[in-house]
Amino acid sequence: GDSVTQMEGPVTLSEEAFLTINCTYTATGYPSLFWYVQYPGEGLQLLLKATKADDKGSNKGFEATYRKETTSFHLEKGSVQVSDSAVYFCALTTQKAGANSKLTFGKGITLSVRP
Amino acid sequence: NAGVTQTPKFQVLKTGQSMTLQCAQDMNHNSMYWYRQDPGMGLRLIYYSASEGTTDKGEVPNGYNVSRLNKREFSLRLESAAPSQTSVYFCASSVLYEQYFGPGTRLTVT
Repeated sequence: GDSVTQMEGPVTLSEEAFLTINCTYTATGYPSLFWYVQYPGEGLQLLLKATKADDKGSNKGFEATYRKETTSFHLEKGSVQVSDSAVYFCALTTQKAGANSKLTFGKGITLSVRP
Repeated sequence: NAGVTQTPKFQVLKTGQSMTLQCAQDMNHNSMYWYRQDPGMGLRLIYYSASEGTTDKGEVPNGYNVSRLNKREFSLRLESAAPSQTSVYFCASSVLYEQYFGPGTRLTVT
């Protein structure tokens, strides 16, 4: 079945450091890939997405590129802020757009950014 | 536009008690979902509803039942709560690829 593997956490960085969070996947067909973020005490919200190979998703300074050859979708940000402290989830769906978009999530990784 | 709302926010149950978690969305989405979130486990799908009148099991359905009351509302019922059901429960609805999540219900079963 489909699966998503995220690097082990937690991750602690100083403000303005470079961030990379690794995500690899196993899926049948050609999945769409997502990063969701969960701020303390809240539900998840979509951070960015990519729906085909070589697409780059970006939002709020975060980027991730859909690499089919390495089955990866690593999340990067050039300069993190304290407000980026949250739990980050990588996810995929193999459903077509417009259909029920059942997602498979990774385990999530907690990012803490020190001032 | 409230998005996805969930009630209650917190609940403590004794083993064997029953309760229903309520979820409603005002975005006219067809698909709705119930997840549970446990430390180190990520989110696991309990049940989902692709459209009004249909429901399907997800990854961890045992011990739960759901009702898609209408297009807006999707409830999750625990008939006889067990300590293993202590978790944070999230409801979500979706359009195209994006899922919108509620704020969650933190349930403790003693």
